[in-house]
Amino acid sequence: NAGVMQNPRHLVRRRGQEARLRCSPMKGHSHVYWYRQLPEEGLKFMVYLQKENIIDESGMPKERFSAEFPKEGPSILRIQQVVRGDSAAYFCASSPQRGSTEAFFGQGTRLTVV
Amino acid sequence: GDSVTQMEGPVTLSEEACLTINCTYTATGYPSLFWYVQYPGEGLQLLLKATKADDKGSNKGFEATYRKETTSFHLEKGSVQVSDSAVYFCALAVYNQGGKLIFGQGTELSVKP
Repeated sequence: NAGVMQNPRHLVRRRGQEARLRCSPMKGHSHVYWYRQLPEEGLKFMVYLQKENIIDESGMPKERFSAEFPKEGPSILRIQQVVRGDSAAYFCASSPQRGSTEAFFGQGTRLTVV
Repeated sequence: GDSVTQMEGPVTLSEEACLTINCTYTATGYPSLFWYVQYPGEGLQLLLKATKADDKGSNKGFEATYRKETTSFHLEKGSVQVSDSAVYFCALAVYNQGGKLIFGQGTELSVKP
């Protein structure tokens, strides 16, 4: 049973470009969480999704950021018109059900904006 | 709002020394508590967890006890190894908020031979 798969592992974008980060949850998991880790900081919750639904997006910046988790395929975190401050590690976690006591993390995507 | 505070690092210890990393929390509900470990360049791995007051989580020689009276979940290990060098994160999840995790800022541990 493969773990949570994130790709790419490393992504370099120029200011103003778009970044697309993908997360495939563990098999059988239908709940996905995205977190952002800024340099020298802890992880901050961004968004919680179930298949085809955004459940909690209270941690998402109001502009340029969006997330989806379609019926088929991976969850996507999309950042439009990236700025240097978006440089961070973005982690995805999945769990099998709401209220599960354990979330499994991917290895993260490290975004660098130049 | 809910929050987690853990001791600042970096913490540098010699091999076989005792480790304590302090973690306290604030939560409006009844949280579950976690310690995650992050090795360089890697994602987070669950180290241990406790889901209710007085529960003790343990794994790989690490232990933490859920103390409701002091709102704490300190991480301890009696004898650290060089391979324990990593960043340790304390976290809580409140399930009426969908199970999202709220993390402390992380404590870097460096163990010297």
